[in-house]
Amino acid sequence: DGGITQSPKYLFRKEGQNVTLSCEQNLNHDAMYWYRQDPGQGLRLIYYSQIVNDFQKGDIAEGYSVSREKKESFPLTVTSAQKNPTAFYLCASSSGSSIRYTFGSGTRLTVV
Amino acid sequence: GESVGLHLPTLSVQEGDNSIINCAYSNSASDYFIWYKQESGKGPQFIIDIRSNMDKRQGQRVTVLLNKTVKHLSLQIAATQPGDSAVYFCAEGAQKLVFGQGTRLTINP
Repeated sequence: DGGITQSPKYLFRKEGQNVTLSCEQNLNHDAMYWYRQDPGQGLRLIYYSQIVNDFQKGDIAEGYSVSREKKESFPLTVTSAQKNPTAFYLCASSSGSSIRYTFGSGTRLTVV
Repeated sequence: GESVGLHLPTLSVQEGDNSIINCAYSNSASDYFIWYKQESGKGPQFIIDIRSNMDKRQGQRVTVLLNKTVKHLSLQIAATQPGDSAVYFCAEGAQKLVFGQGTRLTINP
């Protein structure tokens, strides 16, 4: 079955460390997105990529970085510059012909 | 800027009743609207969508209504069940989705 996979499901980070969240899709979707969700809040766009080797900043890109070297993969790095990284991170993808997003199951990042 | 807002952050209904979740949007250029359901600790799941050339679309126990005149979108869930408890997000867009804040639906037995 096609889908979008995020790993790990839970991630713990010490202050000052960078961590990378994985997002892989086998839906042959062109576009991929990263969102951050805080408790009781909506989705805030971090970065998105519409084609390989190209990506754009979303509303809250500071302290995050991404790469899009392969169509299937869109990893997100949470850097030490992100002041409050504890959150639930969601990856999504969409095809070129539709903006109906398919979401992954999320990664919960906690700073310890 | 673009925004998608919800009239109520929480909604509580009796099991078996119909639920109506509302959403206001501001971007007149949006031509696609979608509802997602998010259960605790999981990613949002697609429920139903509608294009701007329609005003109503029905699925299994769910109906989406679109009123472009007042920029209003609603999700109706028939015969609400305990499994419907979740946060519901509306989203709108033309090239990229803009999400609303979400409404938490709780079901009373």
